[in-house]
Amino acid sequence: KQEVTQIPAALSVPEGENLVLNCSFTDSAIYNLQWFRQDPGKGLTSLLLIQSSQREQTSGRLNASLDKSSGRSTLYIAASQPGDSATYLCAVRNDDYKLSFGAGTTVTVRA
Amino acid sequence: DTAVSQTPKYLVTQMGNDKSIKCEQNLGHDTMYWYKQDSKKFLKIMFSYNNKELIINETVPNRFSPKSPDKAHLNLHINSLELGDSAVYFCASSQDVGMNTEAFFGQGTRLTVV
Repeated sequence: KQEVTQIPAALSVPEGENLVLNCSFTDSAIYNLQWFRQDPGKGLTSLLLIQSSQREQTSGRLNASLDKSSGRSTLYIAASQPGDSATYLCAVRNDDYKLSFGAGTTVTVRA
Repeated sequence: DTAVSQTPKYLVTQMGNDKSIKCEQNLGHDTMYWYKQDSKKFLKIMFSYNNKELIINETVPNRFSPKSPDKAHLNLHINSLELGDSAVYFCASSQDVGMNTEAFFGQGTRLTVV
């Protein structure tokens, strides 16, 4: 059974600082890994999808890396802004069609 | 134009009632899902349909029954609601169940059982 862990559970940084969010998973036989953002009381917004054959994926200030063999992914957010405050969720897809989620990292960017 | 939409957004109901949550996607996807997010914000898969066929049926009470009338719709019916059913229920869709597929989520339905 796939287990996904996200560390830290919460993070508070001053505006402008870079953010580093970690995700680890126990079963490395994944199809892909997806990072989501969830604002309070809202749905999930897909940020980045990394396929199992890829090492990283970039979108604007966001960069996600994947090390499948060690079961790790890291989401980097450059030059953080107050609007980046949200909960970030990591999810991995295995061949059982399921997306297994971590508990999330709640980020607060202080102005 | 909302890609995955759920109705209602909020649902407050009494114990013992039967309720339904509806989900529709306009992305042309073949696969749809129901997830439950509990009070600790942890998301867990409940059901998934691919081309109207049930492919994931997690260990949930049989009071929960999904129905997919067509590929664009996946509804969730809950019988005899209990206090512990209070949670946020998310619908999602993906192109298919392949290796490169990306999941898209609705805005959630917050169910409160009183």
